[in-house]
Amino acid sequence: GQSLEQPSEVTAVEGAIVQINCTYQTSGFYGLSWYQQHDGGAPTFLSYNALDGLEETGRFSSFLSRSDSYGYLLLQELQMKDSASYFCAPRDGQNFVFGPGTRLSVLP
Amino acid sequence: DADVTQTPRNRITKTGKRIMLECSQTKGHDRMYWYRQDPGLGLRLIYYSFDVKDINKGEISDGYSVSRQAQAKFSLSLESAIPNQTALYFCATSDTDSYNEQFFGPGTRLTVL
Repeated sequence: GQSLEQPSEVTAVEGAIVQINCTYQTSGFYGLSWYQQHDGGAPTFLSYNALDGLEETGRFSSFLSRSDSYGYLLLQELQMKDSASYFCAPRDGQNFVFGPGTRLSVLP
Repeated sequence: DADVTQTPRNRITKTGKRIMLECSQTKGHDRMYWYRQDPGLGLRLIYYSFDVKDINKGEISDGYSVSRQAQAKFSLSLESAIPNQTALYFCATSDTDSYNEQFFGPGTRLTVL
């Protein structure tokens, strides 16, 4: 079967660092994506990890451990505009399974 | 101009009505998808198409049908809408060679009364 777990909500202050964890179980696994979605907006792609380790893109980094079926998204130097929902999405075959999302609130 | 467009953006309809949601893209991508988003449930895949002649059911296809009229167009139909199909619907596209990144349209908010 499939299962995905993310924290439902995370709160942090501007300038801080926050980590959003994702644990997954899928019948097949090829990699892990992360998407950001602002209220009323469309999901936008942030990153994809096919291999174990950390991938850095500006203030955002994404980590994958295939042996632990675990990944995280790390957001540094938080800004107010980072307030959004974040979805992890493991790739199962040719498609992706989206998690329930984590709502990040950045406080001034 | 937006690369992935959806029409209508909002629709209110009644139980039993037939509804069509349309998606168009100018990205030249072969792969297109329809997702449904409900609060607390993330995005769930309804149907997907990897080229014009290819149609595949996703996780929650019951009650829905699709048509891939051209590379750029992928429409979703609800043959007889019911209230639990009230949701936010997203179309997405991806390139065959780099399909790990999906590009989403702005969404259609559908309410079935």
